[in-house]
Amino acid sequence: QVQLQESGPGLVKPSQTLSLTCTVSGGSISSGGYYWSWIRQHPGKGLEWIGYIYYSGSTYYNPSLKSRVTISVDTSKNQFSLKLSSVTAADTAVYYCAREALDVEMATYYFDYWGQGTLVTVSS
Amino acid sequence: QSALTQPASVSGSPGQSITISCTGTSSDVGGYNYVSWYQQHPGKAPKLMIYEVSNRPSGVPDRFSGSKSGNTASLTISGLQAEDEADYYCSSYTSSSTRYVFGTGTKVTVL
Repeated sequence: QVQLQESGPGLVKPSQTLSLTCTVSGGSISSGGYYWSWIRQHPGKGLEWIGYIYYSGSTYYNPSLKSRVTISVDTSKNQFSLKLSSVTAADTAVYYCAREALDVEMATYYFDYWGQGTLVTVSS
Repeated sequence: QSALTQPASVSGSPGQSITISCTGTSSDVGGYNYVSWYQQHPGKAPKLMIYEVSNRPSGVPDRFSGSKSGNTASLTISGLQAEDEADYYCSSYTSSSTRYVFGTGTKVTVL
């Protein structure tokens, strides 16, 4: 059974960089066949896709966040990470990592496994 | 890219059927069969309930079904149960550079 677990600071100061890691168990990121995404949910609001990474390191980001987002992968640790720079209070949200299965290397556009989420608050 | 439009709330009595709509455009819901639905209980992660408009993942009760007509997708819950009380979000591929778009969310209340 695949499990995803987010980790990282729950409090970040404005203008600093938010850093989170997602540890994957029950399956290997380096086996391919999946996009690994970050998704966030502002308090009491809907979901917003941030970006994804493939095991090879190729990425795709939401254009609205692209200038501030970096997603990286460490296959040796079976982890992928999110960095969001120059954060403001508007970046306060629950951040989820999630898996999207590929079908013959084609995206399927749905997320079958999610982490439990981690609340990140941006405040001085 | 605007969020897909869902009703804020839908309610029903146990055993009844309810339907949640998800309205987009020809650039997302109407143009592709990549609509999915997620159930989210308070404080929990979203759970995939329907993918590719009408497919159910293993383990999801067949009380949950999905469909699409034009630019509107729908999730129907038949035989409503207390444990179905949750927030539901639709999602779709979009041809815009955003790639993924989610719905505004619907709170389902079991009366």
